[in-house]
Amino acid sequence: GAGVSQTPSNKVTEKGKYVELRCDPISGHTALYWYRQSLGQGPEFLIYFQGTGAADDSGLPNDRFFAVRPEGSVSTLKIQRTERGDSAVYLCASSLSPRSSYNEQFFGPGTRLTVL
Amino acid sequence: GENVEQHPSTLSVQEGDSAVIKCTYSDSASNYFPWYKQELGKRPQLIIDIRSNVGEKKDQRIAVTLNKTAKHFSLHITETQPEDSAVYFCAASRYSGGYQKVTFGTGTKLQVIP
Repeated sequence: GAGVSQTPSNKVTEKGKYVELRCDPISGHTALYWYRQSLGQGPEFLIYFQGTGAADDSGLPNDRFFAVRPEGSVSTLKIQRTERGDSAVYLCASSLSPRSSYNEQFFGPGTRLTVL
Repeated sequence: GENVEQHPSTLSVQEGDSAVIKCTYSDSASNYFPWYKQELGKRPQLIIDIRSNVGEKKDQRIAVTLNKTAKHFSLHITETQPEDSAVYFCAASRYSGGYQKVTFGTGTKLQVIP
């Protein structure tokens, strides 16, 4: 079946603007994660959703970042008043419910965000 | 929180030689250790993983070892091929708050020279 998809693949914006990044997880995956990957670094955890609720948002760097998953499937990461330091690849991953076993996280292709 | 260190940051080997990447972690509660391969411009993909109740796991040319006492784990690739060239990430995961929280290392860029 289809894997995790993310749109747009690239986003260029100006400092101070608002952006939305979309993630469409694998069908049936209830767990969804957002990560940020800066150049030369590993993915850094931002937020985890189980179903519709954000079960852990401890990785969000500040209150400019917010994410939603209103129907328990597609998720949107929202960044307000973007700063040049927000430039990175934003990765989404999904997995089966993680509660009972070590479920693999399947990653999307990422959105490369560039803030000018 | 968990801290994962990964070495080396870059590694060049001749085709056919072996490659070893080493990681350490800090949280003794971590119990699952996946390894991801990321080709340039592509998404990370799981290549092998190991659970804390196992010391070694092998899958064809790749193997992982885990030393829980020392909090070390390693990836071994034998008979390397040019298509093994990529960035490899180790990760440590613990079950917390009802889910596996994963912390990644900083990556190793492996270059296999034909």
